[in-house]
Amino acid sequence: QKEVEQNSGPLSVPEGAIASLNCTYSDRGSQSFFWYRQYSGKSPELIMSIYSNGDKEDGRFTAQLNKASQYVSLLIRDSQPSDSATYLCALQNTGNQFYFGTGTSLTVIP
Amino acid sequence: EPEVTQTPSHQVTQMGQEVILRCVPISNHLYFYWYRQILGQKVEFLVSFYNNEISEKSEIFDDQFSVERPDGSNFTLKIRSTKLEDSAMYFCASSEGWAREGSSYNEQFFGPGTRLTVL
Repeated sequence: QKEVEQNSGPLSVPEGAIASLNCTYSDRGSQSFFWYRQYSGKSPELIMSIYSNGDKEDGRFTAQLNKASQYVSLLIRDSQPSDSATYLCALQNTGNQFYFGTGTSLTVIP
Repeated sequence: EPEVTQTPSHQVTQMGQEVILRCVPISNHLYFYWYRQILGQKVEFLVSFYNNEISEKSEIFDDQFSVERPDGSNFTLKIRSTKLEDSAMYFCASSEGWAREGSSYNEQFFGPGTRLTVL
């Protein structure tokens, strides 16, 4: 059973558009959720964390969490070519183990 | 801005040899982690470390692996008797703390990684 599932993409959006990235998880007891960005050959870079149901906004990024549906999403507004990367959804369970999804590849077309 | 550092950036070793990967976590962080990422695959949790002992470990982290905090700044991952399938990027991460119910203290910051190649 996969702990974290993401659509691998690739997802392509035009510059200035909204990119929507989605993630589902299986462990209903998970409490901490994270979105990371990973450029090819680089390490994961934290974008946002979210712990409570609802939306959390940080600049152009909005994370959404729905624990009842076991669903996490990330919206990127005004997408830029520099946002082209693989976006990793991750969760931390109550036992302090961390699980990553396989990532969604995003390409922002100028 | 504080960051996690790792050395070396690239390690090449012969099958059967032992390697030590080094990490310097962010100075005020209390939890340390190791992950690996085989080329083209997802990032996989190996182990978490707190207060000089292992907090959690995955099924991957078997007797071939060990971790240590040899001094006040370094955090190491030792891989004994390396195998071809150990070739991967190894990432160290650290967090301020860990709260079971979820907290910004849980945010993990990753180092740049060590690419391990086993020949």
